Amino acid sequence: AQKVTQAQTEISVVEKEDVTLDCVYETRDTTYYLFWYKQPPSGELVFLIRRNSFDEQNEISGRYSWNFQKSTSSFNFTITASQVVDSAVYFCALSGGSSASKIIFGSGTRLSIRP
Amino acid sequence: NAGVMQNPRHLVRRRGQEARLRCSPMKGHSHVYWYRQLPEEGLKFMVYLQKENIIDESGMPKERFSAEFPKEGPSILRIQQVVRGDSAAYFCASSPTGKMAYEQYFGPGTRLTVT
Repeated sequence: AQKVTQAQTEISVVEKEDVTLDCVYETRDTTYYLFWYKQPPSGELVFLIRRNSFDEQNEISGRYSWNFQKSTSSFNFTITASQVVDSAVYFCALSGGSSASKIIFGSGTRLSIRP
Repeated sequence: NAGVMQNPRHLVRRRGQEARLRCSPMKGHSHVYWYRQLPEEGLKFMVYLQKENIIDESGMPKERFSAEFPKEGPSILRIQQVVRGDSAAYFCASSPTGKMAYEQYFGPGTRLTVT
């Protein structure tokens, strides 16, 4: 079975602090994709990143960075120098292999950035 | 190139009424996926359709819910005799092919409220 676990239900930090959102996944497939999405208060789903299982290079995009470690089945997301606009619910997700027709989402982490 | 379109964006129904949610995939995409997001939860896969075919409906409730994707026109998610527990955000996604299910583009969602 495939599963995504986001153990942190809610995180609250003060603006300009760094914050890491954890994501642990389970799959028996060798080929799969991992995602992060942002859902701001307006409700739409904003795609942030997709990584395939063969690419373990960490990625940085501005203040956002992702750490993919197959050895621990983790795909963590770090926001550096957080801003109030980063306040949202963030979802980690998994697709591929035996569940190729669907994306499996974690339960989300609600991030609040206090000014 | 317009993205995935969903309408209505907000829908209010009384218990026992029918709800019809529409999804127009991105141009050139012939595969559609529906997901449901209950309050304070992650998205859950419901159904995957190609034109005129249901490919995977493993996430669809057994009763009252149906989906179609006709040869012409949008995909429709239909909920008959709605109950309060159907109140949720319903997201549609599309992909260019079934083998590229990992490349799903999400619409803005339809928020269904059952009173």
